[in-house]
Amino acid sequence: EDQVTQSPEALRLQEGESSSLNCSYTVSGLRGLFWYRQDPGKGPEFLFTLYSAGEEKEKERLKATLTKKESFLHITAPKPEDSATYLCAVQAPMNSGYSTLTFGKGTMLLVSP
Amino acid sequence: NAGVTQTPKFRVLKTGQSMTLLCAQDMNHEYMYWYRQDPGMGLRLIHYSVGEGTTAKGEVPDGYNVSRLKKQNFLLGLESAAPSQTSVYFCASSYRVFLERTYEQYFGPGTRLTVT
Repeated sequence: EDQVTQSPEALRLQEGESSSLNCSYTVSGLRGLFWYRQDPGKGPEFLFTLYSAGEEKEKERLKATLTKKESFLHITAPKPEDSATYLCAVQAPMNSGYSTLTFGKGTMLLVSP
Repeated sequence: NAGVTQTPKFRVLKTGQSMTLLCAQDMNHEYMYWYRQDPGMGLRLIHYSVGEGTTAKGEVPDGYNVSRLKKQNFLLGLESAAPSQTSVYFCASSYRVFLERTYEQYFGPGTRLTVT
């Protein structure tokens, strides 16, 4: 069974204090790994897609990396507006041939000024 | 361009009542999805559709039905609501997966449902 595990469950940082969030996965035939940001009371917002080990993508203070077993979301010099829950999801083929997403439970990030 | 919209935003039902949640997207996406999100459980797929007139079961389909009569709309129905269906429901849509290409899903703002 495909599994996605995110750690830590919650992370508290001071403004400017860089850190990383982890997403470990076990899936057969990975087609893509996705990172989403979710603010309280809102739907998830797409951030990145990673397709193969070694791939990296950046957006402002965020950088996502991928290995064969895990992905990291690095946050450099975070600001309070980066506070949100970050979700990781993997896409793999189902027996029907269609691909759906399996989500982790998320990491709740709080950045204090 | 409104993206993915959901109706209603909030709803309180009594056990045994029925209701329909409406999802609409204006991005011409072929695929649409319904998820539920519960504390400590993450997002779980209820049903999905890969095209007009087609639907399929996801991870937690029991107690729900869906219909996709038009490409832009995806309806989620609860025939006889139960307290266990208290949750936040999200609709999402994406382009069709084609030749191994993966497309991100775009989510609506959610519907918060309470069943008493």
